[in-house]
Amino acid sequence: NAGVTQTPKFQVLKTGQSMTLQCAQDMNHEYMSWYRQDPGMGLRLIHYSVGAGITDQGEVPNGYNVSRSTTEDFPLRLLSAAPSQTSVYFCASSYSGLAGGLSYEQYFGPGTRLTVT
Amino acid sequence: QKEVEQDPGPLSVPEGAIVSLNCTYSNSAFQYFMWYRQYSRKGPELLMYTYSSGNKEDGRFTAQVDKSSKYISLFIRDSQPSDSATYLCAMIGSSNTGKLIFGQGTTLQVKP
Repeated sequence: NAGVTQTPKFQVLKTGQSMTLQCAQDMNHEYMSWYRQDPGMGLRLIHYSVGAGITDQGEVPNGYNVSRSTTEDFPLRLLSAAPSQTSVYFCASSYSGLAGGLSYEQYFGPGTRLTVT
Repeated sequence: QKEVEQDPGPLSVPEGAIVSLNCTYSNSAFQYFMWYRQYSRKGPELLMYTYSSGNKEDGRFTAQVDKSSKYISLFIRDSQPSDSATYLCAMIGSSNTGKLIFGQGTTLQVKP
């Protein structure tokens, strides 16, 4: 199993450009999430999905779009990049937890380092 | 006020030292308490988790949860240079709508 894969590893964008960060998992996990990690801020949830066709907003959703057409893939779209979106982006996946909600064990991808100039 | 607070450090200790990492939280609905370890330029990996209050031990690592004080700790005994990483606490409630909430992470360096 490859686990959670993310592409690209690095990306530099100019302000106003759009792009899609790719995320795929081969563990048949129901849940997938996108986080951003900034110095001193920890991991903040952007969007998440509890299954194909179902997505919801996290803590910092503005400026980002997601869709989940398959169980395996969960792309994150930056609509019009801004310098404030310079960050490291992590995709994660998990099974559902004991109560049917999000599991405590998230499997993270290697991250995408994005710089917006 | 953040739901989960964690001192970002950095924390530097000599090899063999006992390390104590801590988080406080404000949401009494949290039931699962996790510690993730993140090596430089890698994604976080689950190190340990505890359900509700109490202690859990795994080798050199001990996780403690005190729900009455809303305080969790991770102890590392006989610390090694390979333990140098960022440690993130994370918490979740048991409800179906629970979201994983992370602390800011503490960067630990263990010097040989």
